[in-house]
Amino acid sequence: EAEVAQSPRYKITEKSQAVAFWCDPISGHATLYWYRQILGQGPELLVQFQDESVVDDSQLPKDRFSAERLKGVDSTLKIQPAELGDSAMYLCASSLEGTGFRAFFGQGTRLTVV
Amino acid sequence: GEDVEQSLFLSVREGDSSVINCTYTDSSSTYLYWYKQEPGAGLQLLTYIFSNMDMKQDQRLTVLLNKKDKHLSLRIADTQTGDSAIYFCAETQGGKLIFGQGTELSVKP
Repeated sequence: EAEVAQSPRYKITEKSQAVAFWCDPISGHATLYWYRQILGQGPELLVQFQDESVVDDSQLPKDRFSAERLKGVDSTLKIQPAELGDSAMYLCASSLEGTGFRAFFGQGTRLTVV
Repeated sequence: GEDVEQSLFLSVREGDSSVINCTYTDSSSTYLYWYKQEPGAGLQLLTYIFSNMDMKQDQRLTVLLNKKDKHLSLRIADTQTGDSAIYFCAETQGGKLIFGQGTELSVKP
């Protein structure tokens, strides 16, 4: 069964350093989402792509976070500089269309900022 | 997501039925979802229901939707220890998935 691939699974970084996460969606899925999940809470959307275009980044802290999906396939989420409050699980998901219908999630990247 | 509310914990005995409840706010949500998350893992899509349906059954899972009260429930029949996880309800708002805080289901042998 096709899966959403994410790497790394775990990342420990010092505050003020840069960190990057990678996601490869299910083949053929035009819509890609990055979510942040703080421990004990539900996931919250950071950014949504339709092909290579950003369709929603209203909750992305743009002073330190950036996301790209240059060829409309895989995507990278970057944080620079990382802060202690960024410690969370970063989840990538993809779906065939942009309505949120049947979004499939990867295993996530657990970020710890020390 | 503050727009979707769930109780935080549920404890049941193995073999019993579990019922996890959720209230949502957007009456225009086309689909409503249940996801399962095991410790340290991503979210697994369990089931979903179209907003013009009242009920959907899928093996041990039964989803009930009350649109008038904006209430969604997930019933797990014959709950097993492998069902222990956090269950998230989600609604679609403007093409975005909005999640509840999750209900931690604990299954005791």
